[in-house]
Amino acid sequence: DIQMTQSPSSLSASVGDRVTITCRASQSISYYLNWYQQKPGKAPKLLIYGASSLQSGVPSRFSGSGSGTDFTLTISCLQPEDFATYYCQQSYNTPLSFGGGTKVEIK
Amino acid sequence: QLQLQESGPGLVKPSETLSLTCTVSGGSISSSSYYWDWIRQPPGKGLEWIGNIYYSGSTYYNPSLKSRVTISVDTSKNQFFLLLNSVTAADTAVYYCARRVYNSGCYDYWGQGTLVTVSS
Repeated sequence: DIQMTQSPSSLSASVGDRVTITCRASQSISYYLNWYQQKPGKAPKLLIYGASSLQSGVPSRFSGSGSGTDFTLTISCLQPEDFATYYCQQSYNTPLSFGGGTKVEIK
Repeated sequence: QLQLQESGPGLVKPSETLSLTCTVSGGSISSSSYYWDWIRQPPGKGLEWIGNIYYSGSTYYNPSLKSRVTISVDTSKNQFFLLLNSVTAADTAVYYCARRVYNSGCYDYWGQGTLVTVSS
């Protein structure tokens, strides 16, 4: 099974900050890596698929990069609505798996 | 606009069977471009993939749950289903149904989620 490790598990940031979240896979997953945003009481929302493709309707301040085992999600200029928990997910093979999440909090 | 909606009992007794339905509207479940998945999230914790079904009826399950899980589909009703037997308190979670894109493997549509509590 492929293990997904996110870091940090939480971070505090201010509006306007640049934020980077890292996701590492326990084996190569090529570019089969997706990112989601989840707010309390809501279902996750797809932000990035295929490691770097922006989902339709998602603001361009979100970007993804990486391939193989190491991936990053970057929020270029943090907005108030971006405070949430972010998850990575590998879709390289089954069982599909998610990272443990990164909670982005207001500083 | 595609919508998914979970339904089923919010309370299940230990050792009994959890049964949920996901109703898909605004699109057909009989598309070769998508899988239909169940995912759960224990309170305050992360996401766990349970399994999926393809419109043809083929299924894949998480090995950690495989012995207890059955996922099925009724294409005529545009619904798919989750059965999880012999539940314990550890199965208490919000259960989501979601559409997974065949090529990329990403989840582009999710249900709102339904909390299932296992308790006597």
